[in-house]
Amino acid sequence: EAGVAQSPRYKIIEKRQSVAFWCNPISGHATLYWYQQILGQGPKLLIQFQNNGVVDDSQLPKDRFSAERLKGVDSTLKIQPAKLEDSAVYLCASSLLGSMQYFGPGTRLTVL
Amino acid sequence: AQSVSQHNHHVILSEAASLELGCNYSYGGTVNLFWYVQYPGQHLQLLLKYFSGDPLVKGIKGFEAEFIKSKFSFNLRKPSVQWSDTAEYFCAVNADNNDMRFGAGTRLTVKP
Repeated sequence: EAGVAQSPRYKIIEKRQSVAFWCNPISGHATLYWYQQILGQGPKLLIQFQNNGVVDDSQLPKDRFSAERLKGVDSTLKIQPAKLEDSAVYLCASSLLGSMQYFGPGTRLTVL
Repeated sequence: AQSVSQHNHHVILSEAASLELGCNYSYGGTVNLFWYVQYPGQHLQLLLKYFSGDPLVKGIKGFEAEFIKSKFSFNLRKPSVQWSDTAEYFCAVNADNNDMRFGAGTRLTVKP
């Protein structure tokens, strides 16, 4: 069974630029999550989708972050414009029943 | 909302030493509890989980964890660590199937 795929693996941008990350969950997993993991901290949930609907985006900084999952499968997370403090690893996870989450390798973002 | 505390930021042990990593959470209701491990350069992997039943949970690679409801704790243990156990360990709590909250992580270094 293929795992959660994410791209790119690494991204370096300058502040005020825009960036987008892509996630392909495990086939058949209805729930998809985006997490932000800042160095030295545990992952923090940004947004949770159930199929193509948003379940929880309470911790998503909506002034600059956006995410979509239009067809209920792949998802993209965008930051526009990026700030220095957005430097982190962005993790995508998916689950079938809502509790057992499987994580992708993450995208390491560096904002200069 | 629930929160998770991992009190040990960095633990250094010699091979064959016993390990116990602390995890406490704050939530009064029903919880699902997890330990994830992140080996250097790899993505988060599930080590073990507790949903219900026997509070002593056995996971992969000889790890176990004990859920003590009265103490709101879910400590991770291993009787004899190996060099290959060097990794970052994250405790996570999922309350009422809502969003997952992670602790800050404990970095384990095992000296050969």
